[in-house]
Amino acid sequence: EDKVVQSPLSLVVHEGDTVTLNCSYEVTNFRSLLWYKQEKKAPTFLFMLTSSGIEKKSGRLSSILDKKELFSILNITATQTGDSAVYLCAVEVGGGSQGNLIFGKGTKLSVKP
Amino acid sequence: NAGVTQTPKFQVLKTGQSMTLQCAQDMNHEYMSWYRQDPGMGLRLIHYSVGAGITDQGEVPNGYNVSRSTTEDFPLRLLSAAPSQTSVYFCASKRRRNTGELFFGEGSRLTVL
Repeated sequence: EDKVVQSPLSLVVHEGDTVTLNCSYEVTNFRSLLWYKQEKKAPTFLFMLTSSGIEKKSGRLSSILDKKELFSILNITATQTGDSAVYLCAVEVGGGSQGNLIFGKGTKLSVKP
Repeated sequence: NAGVTQTPKFQVLKTGQSMTLQCAQDMNHEYMSWYRQDPGMGLRLIHYSVGAGITDQGEVPNGYNVSRSTTEDFPLRLLSAAPSQTSVYFCASKRRRNTGELFFGEGSRLTVL
């Protein structure tokens, strides 16, 4: 059974801290890994990763994929209260379920002032 | 830009009632899907469609029906609502099945009494 596991499930930090969120996966046909940020409503897209070792960066957020060890990390530097959200990791699979995304349970990040 | 539009945003049903959650996208996306999100469970795929006239089951399809008569619309029908279907429902679409990034609607919160 395909699965995506995120850790930790929740995290409380103070403004200015750096955080690392983890995502590991076991899927039969890997196509890509995606990170989303979810505040009150719909998840919003952050990154899509398909190749190992190539860092994707957007401002204070960055992410990297390791296809040999089957995991990805999302780093947030100099955290701000606006970073408080649930961060979702998803894997797009191929094969019979081609194109479907399997989501982890998310990491709830709380940034205290 | 409307993107993915879901209606209604909130709905309360009694056990045994039926209803339809509407989803429309104006991006000419081939792939559309429905997820439910429950506390501690992450996003789970209910049904998906890779084009007009084509639908398939996801991880948790029981109690739900879908149809895709046009590219734009992908309604989700609850045939006989049960309290276990109390959840937040998200419709999501992407350009083609293999293009990774999903675009989400704002969600529909359903309560079944």
